[in-house]
Amino acid sequence: DGGITQSPKYLFRKEGQNVTLSCEQNLNHDAMYWYRQDPGQGLRLIYYSQIVNDFQKGDIAEGYSVSREKKESFPLTVTSAQKNPTAFYLCASSIGTGRKLAKNIQYFGAGTRLSVL
Amino acid sequence: GENVEQHPSTLSVQEGDSAVIKCTYSDSASNYFPWYKQELGKRPQLIIDIRSNVGEKKDQRIAVTLNKTAKHFSLHITETQPEDSAVYFCAATVNRDDKIIFGKGTRLHILP
Repeated sequence: DGGITQSPKYLFRKEGQNVTLSCEQNLNHDAMYWYRQDPGQGLRLIYYSQIVNDFQKGDIAEGYSVSREKKESFPLTVTSAQKNPTAFYLCASSIGTGRKLAKNIQYFGAGTRLSVL
Repeated sequence: GENVEQHPSTLSVQEGDSAVIKCTYSDSASNYFPWYKQELGKRPQLIIDIRSNVGEKKDQRIAVTLNKTAKHFSLHITETQPEDSAVYFCAATVNRDDKIIFGKGTRLHILP
């Protein structure tokens, strides 16, 4: 069953705690993305990675960190520095980025809902 | 920075009528414009997209139009059905950074 898998589905964070959200894809895609979704705010880009061992900050990277050690995996850590972490987090992947238009279709995971205890 | 504006934020239409959602973008180099549909509690899924070298694309009841001069593009849904109720997101590429920027979404309600 090919696709993009996020886990866990629900996650709770205590004050001062770091938590890590998992994102795995078996689509052989080069590019992966993390978005945060808040009501009325749409999808805001946190981090993205175009290739293994490389990633760039998105529009709201403060308080988050990522790694891309394997092509299939792009975990997101929500650090204690992120003061308002309650949101729905979506991971996505695409074949690639850049001006080759056919490569920009993004496929999304089912999301992780993070709440603060 | 570059951005994508989407209107309206909420839209209610009678079943069978048409719905139109409009987006404007700021990056004149944008060349790919996808539309995603997100049903309640589910992941966003691509429903239609358009490249910068065409002005219109249609897929059954869904169509997208692009006006590059004015930097705006629109989603048209005809003969709306209850299953069209969802949040719709437009997006545009930001080629300088090789990424996509999404609009804030439109919640579409189909009234019986």
